[in-house]
Amino acid sequence: DAGITQSPRHKVTETGTPVTLRCHQTENHRYMYWYRQDPGHGLRLIHYSYGVKDTDKGEVSDGYSVSRSKTEDFLLTLESATSSQTSVYFCAIRGRSGYTFGSGTRLTVV
Amino acid sequence: AQSVTQPDIHITVSEGASLELRCNYSYGATPYLFWYVQSPGQGLQLLLKYFSGDTLVQGIKGFEAEFKRSQSSFNLRKPSVHWSDAAEYFCAVGSMNRDDKIIFGKGTRLHILP
Repeated sequence: DAGITQSPRHKVTETGTPVTLRCHQTENHRYMYWYRQDPGHGLRLIHYSYGVKDTDKGEVSDGYSVSRSKTEDFLLTLESATSSQTSVYFCAIRGRSGYTFGSGTRLTVV
Repeated sequence: AQSVTQPDIHITVSEGASLELRCNYSYGATPYLFWYVQSPGQGLQLLLKYFSGDTLVQGIKGFEAEFKRSQSSFNLRKPSVHWSDAAEYFCAVGSMNRDDKIIFGKGTRLHILP
């Protein structure tokens, strides 16, 4: 989607390793979000941010941390990846007209 | 507590038939309501949104939705579906308040019969 990119698009990692996903926006929006999508669960909020160094937990935050040192970047870190964290991760930004989502990162933990 | 319910996990309709996808929400304040569509392997695309005003909103791809406050519903409709409409559809509710975030339903997968 225009103005928001996620990297990497795909990643395979081993259990126990740390993983960082990046969300980058060019829209200068304050609000950014990380969701995970799993079959039968829809999208569930992991963490969100309403400004630089201002973050909060969502409903499924255990095992995840985030950082936002610049307006344009919102990083999601899995400190020690587990198989239950295999999922598709979406970043979103909130603007005046609503929410825009990135294309997603497909993470597989083996 | 905020929640969104999409009662139908799967719906199958014939090409050319009309479509209605149901969405009910629970929200403590005036809701902002959204419908998103996701094709396989793709991200989420906004179909339409309701913030205020006319309760019947028009979206892209010929979709519309009607906000009914008394029923806490925001159902999505299309008069005549096309094979390309086969996808998963998500209803969502939120606000634009500082600490608020968008909450999603679990989705309805739409199948189209030729």
